[in-house]
Amino acid sequence: DAGITQSPRHKVTETGTPVTLRCHQTENHRYMYWYRQDPGHGLRLIHYSYGVKDTDKGEVSDGYSVSRSKTEDFLLTLESATSSQTSVYFCAISESLSGGYTFGSGTRLTVV
Amino acid sequence: GQQLNQSPQSMFIQEGEDVSMNCTSSSIFNTWLWYKQEPGEGPVLLIALYKAGELTSNGRLTAQFGITRKDSFLNISASIPSDVGIYFCAGQTSGTYKYIFGTGTRLKVLA
Repeated sequence: DAGITQSPRHKVTETGTPVTLRCHQTENHRYMYWYRQDPGHGLRLIHYSYGVKDTDKGEVSDGYSVSRSKTEDFLLTLESATSSQTSVYFCAISESLSGGYTFGSGTRLTVV
Repeated sequence: GQQLNQSPQSMFIQEGEDVSMNCTSSSIFNTWLWYKQEPGEGPVLLIALYKAGELTSNGRLTAQFGITRKDSFLNISASIPSDVGIYFCAGQTSGTYKYIFGTGTRLKVLA
């Protein structure tokens, strides 16, 4: 949807290289999230943000870092990509903590 | 990490049939959400439930927040081919801000 955009949509990278995924929103929502989706595991929270420069870890944060310098942008960085980080990554936004999330269309990342 | 038990894992049904799926948890939830995901896209919110016993409809979809607050149900009436996709439940416990997602029910509708 137009309110939330992820880039790139697809990426292939080599083991050991850094990778940054971008999430951009035009809804001015306070909360932003990064999830990964793997078969048999559903959606698992990597990191989330509750405001500019305010971020915290989710359940699978090892090997990932995030930054949020502006309300509209939330970046996910894999400092040194590993094959276990091959996955589909989704960004989500929400207006409140208990409200439903709006998800982006995802980034399919393959680490070879 | 903790996950919800969602069943069935997959369903093949004939067009026009009704569908039921559910999620159960060992934890009490204050909020239940139901999402649908189509291939190559992110999940889309279908229904949100905020109160035990609540029954909410969205067109042919009806979802209920279980009385025990540990489960939720989604029903689809008179299924059509465009209902195909993966349906996820998500629950949020009191005092937390993180949703736990089920592993999904994959629905296929045969015309």
